[in-house]
Amino acid sequence: KAGVTQTPRYLIKTRGQQVTLSCSPISGHRSVSWYQQTPGQGLQFLFEYFSETQRNKGNFPGRFSGRQFSNSRSEMNVSTLELGDSALYLCASSPTSGGTYEQYFGPGTRLTVT
Amino acid sequence: AQSVTQPDIHITVSEGASLELRCNYSYGATPYLFWYVQSPGQGLQLLLKYFSGDTLVQGIKGFEAEFKRSQSSFNLRKPSVHWSDAAEYFCAVGARGNKLVFGAGTILRVKS
Repeated sequence: KAGVTQTPRYLIKTRGQQVTLSCSPISGHRSVSWYQQTPGQGLQFLFEYFSETQRNKGNFPGRFSGRQFSNSRSEMNVSTLELGDSALYLCASSPTSGGTYEQYFGPGTRLTVT
Repeated sequence: AQSVTQPDIHITVSEGASLELRCNYSYGATPYLFWYVQSPGQGLQLLLKYFSGDTLVQGIKGFEAEFKRSQSSFNLRKPSVHWSDAAEYFCAVGARGNKLVFGAGTILRVKS
């Protein structure tokens, strides 16, 4: 099976712009979670989607949003970008929600905000 | 709230030596515990997991971890480290749904 894919791998944006990142889970997986990784804050949970519904949300401002499509692919959007949004954004897929299955991570999207 | 502590930010070991990376967690119920490894510029790769049952779990690449409820610990071990094991290692606890709470990570350096 192909692994989790994320596009694009690298992105440079300017403050105030918005950005959309994409994640395709492993075939058959219906849960997609998103994480932000920064040197200062480490790995932080953004949100989880399962069957096109947001199941769980981390402590991030409303500028961070996401959605999931019927084929389980997910996108996350960050509006009004700030310098502090520069980070590696990782998505993880799992067969289902509920925490009883391991999650598999993609290679990440490196976002740089200038 | 759930939390994970990895007390060692950096660890350096000689190639061929044994390794133990420490992880302590805080969680009210029986935890789901994970160890992930991340090479520079890469995503996270799952090394092993503990859900229930045998407290000593085996993972990939020769790693193992032992769950000790009394100490709230889930330490990662490897009997003989290879240069290719140099990477950053993250311990995580499963919280509500599929949310993972990660520790700050331990950077492993291997000297030849």
